[in-house]
Formats: sequence, C-alpha cells, structure tokens
Amino acid sequence: SSELTQPPSVSVSPGQTASITCSGDKLGVGYGCWYQQKPGQSPVLVIYQDNKRPSGIPERFSGSNSGNTATLTISGTQAMDEADYFCQAWDSDTAIFGGGTKLTVL
Amino acid sequence: QVQLVQSGAEVKKPGASVKVSCKASGYTFPNTALHWVRQAPGQGLEWMGWINTGTNNRKYSQKLQGRITITRDTSASSAFMELSSLRSEDTAVYYCAREWRAPYPRFDHWGQGTLVTVSS
Repeated sequence: SSELTQPPSVSVSPGQTASITCSGDKLGVGYGCWYQQKPGQSPVLVIYQDNKRPSGIPERFSGSNSGNTATLTISGTQAMDEADYFCQAWDSDTAIFGGGTKLTVL
Repeated sequence: QVQLVQSGAEVKKPGASVKVSCKASGYTFPNTALHWVRQAPGQGLEWMGWINTGTNNRKYSQKLQGRITITRDTSASSAFMELSSLRSEDTAVYYCAREWRAPYPRFDHWGQGTLVTVSS
C-alpha cells in the first residue's frame, strides 16, 4: 500500500523557520496537501496543490514538492503555529495521510 | 459559508453498529464528494471512504471494506457513515470532509468531529 512518511516531531524557536517533510511515491506523480490540527480541533487545510494557500492562511505558510518529497515551510514561526501537521496525497481516488508531525515552538 | 455539522457523540458496545451523520450547508450539495476520516486517540488521520453526492458512487478503504457503508440523502444535504461489528480499535473521532476539486482535489472543509467510543 502507498505510504507517506513524516518525522514525528520538529522543534523551532519563535521567529525562526520550520520545515516539515513528507516522503512517498505518490508525491512523485501527484500533488500534496498539508493540514494543521490543534488539540481538540478539526484539521484545517493550509497548503494544497503543493504550494497554494487557501484564503485566510497566513503568507508565512508555504509548500514545495521535489521528486518524492513535499515540504511545508513556516517562516517567522509564531507560538500559535504549534500544532500537529499532516501531509496528504492521492492514490487514484483514495486519500492517503502521513503519520503527522508535532511542531513545537520553544 | 460552507459548514459541515455532524451528529453527537456515541457510546457503543463491541459488535454493535454506529451511524454518524454529516449535514452540509452553504454550497450545492450534489456538486462534490464527501469523505470520512477517523482519528484514534493520540493517533494520526485514517481515510475511510467517500461518496460522490451527485452520482452516489462510493469507494471504501480496503481495511474497512465489508464493515463500512456510506450513504447520502440529497433532499437533506446530508451524508451518513455506518460502521458495523464495532471493536475497541474503532474508538476514534470521526470526521466528514468536503473534497473540492477545482483545480486539484483537497479537503477544504471539515466537520467538527464525532467521538465514537466502543466499550463493554
């Protein structure tokens, strides 16, 4: 089965740049999306089609995809960005998710 | 604005079934697909299946095939996910999510989640 691999955790200091990677075969043939989830809340789309931001998502969130690896980058990270981040890709018409990365801002 | 409102929390015994609803508003219901995603306590997101609310076509994850049924009621702008033969591992928060396809598919709106607890 198709899989997406993310690091379990990433730490960043306030104001610095955080990068979260997501690797998988399906990212080499299609686009990736990223979702932010804070404790007790539903996921929120922050990046789609590798690098597009939905309306309302701050410009400090950006994305890229090269080969089989997608990357979510948060520039000037703020305390409010502390959350779990999940990547997602498509395998035909089936969605697959990465295991999630806990971003800690300290 | 687009909203997906789900039914309330459920407690079920092992072997029972649960049916969770997802009522959509703020857009034309038959124009998209609705997916179901679950999240066990402290775990990641698991895709379960989806329904095309216009054509009624459905697809389920191989893991849940045979236990999951997704339906829709276009007159009520609602979708439903029923999971049978529940076991403790099915304890999770269940989300419905709208798939928006222009120009490329993504889950742009999510329901608030429904906690299903399976316990004897």
